[in-house]
Amino acid sequence: DVKVTQSSRYLVKRTGEKVFLECVQDMDHENMFWYRQDPGLGLRLIYFSYDVKMKEKGDIPEGYSVSREKKERFSLILESASTNQTSMYLCASTNPRDRFSDTQYFGPGTRLTVL
Amino acid sequence: KQEVTQIPAALSVPEGENLVLNCSFTDSAIYNLQWFRQDPGKGLTSLLLIQSSQREQTSGRLNASLDKSSGRSTLYIAASQPGDSATYLCAVSDSSYKLIFGSGTRLLVRP
Repeated sequence: DVKVTQSSRYLVKRTGEKVFLECVQDMDHENMFWYRQDPGLGLRLIYFSYDVKMKEKGDIPEGYSVSREKKERFSLILESASTNQTSMYLCASTNPRDRFSDTQYFGPGTRLTVL
Repeated sequence: KQEVTQIPAALSVPEGENLVLNCSFTDSAIYNLQWFRQDPGKGLTSLLLIQSSQREQTSGRLNASLDKSSGRSTLYIAASQPGDSATYLCAVSDSSYKLIFGSGTRLLVRP
């Protein structure tokens, strides 16, 4: 079974702190994604990556950056956390080599609170 | 811009009832459509994926249909159980592999 893990389930940070959210997948997937999920707004794509060292902006990239130094790991970085970044963050991965089985697999999520 | 809508936003049914969740999308140029389940405070679990060339997919008590031309999909749950209580999310994918999500239907199956 595909496994996508996220470094923390719950995280509390202070305004202005630099925050790292880590995501690791064990199925050699090329594509990885970061979403945030907020009540009433649903899931929104922050950034995604098609390969190592490649990144593309999603719908709401402002205030975030990402890093993909290894294929299995995709990191989301909040350079200076703000209270409006309090949210549930979800990582996902998929295998683009077979479009008939390109289900996106999600991690358990990180609930981030910025005080 | 693709928009995905799910109706109803919430649904409460007695155990054993068959039910249908609805999903509509505005742009029919999709690669596939997925249905996910999300339990409170947890990540998403993929239930069914329908390619744009397919009409339906089945897994156990779940059946998902796709009518691309009308921009609609339904998720049919047969003989509902309390363990089916969760939020069900529909998402469509374009050629870039990005998913556009609906806001979900929160389902409660009462014992």
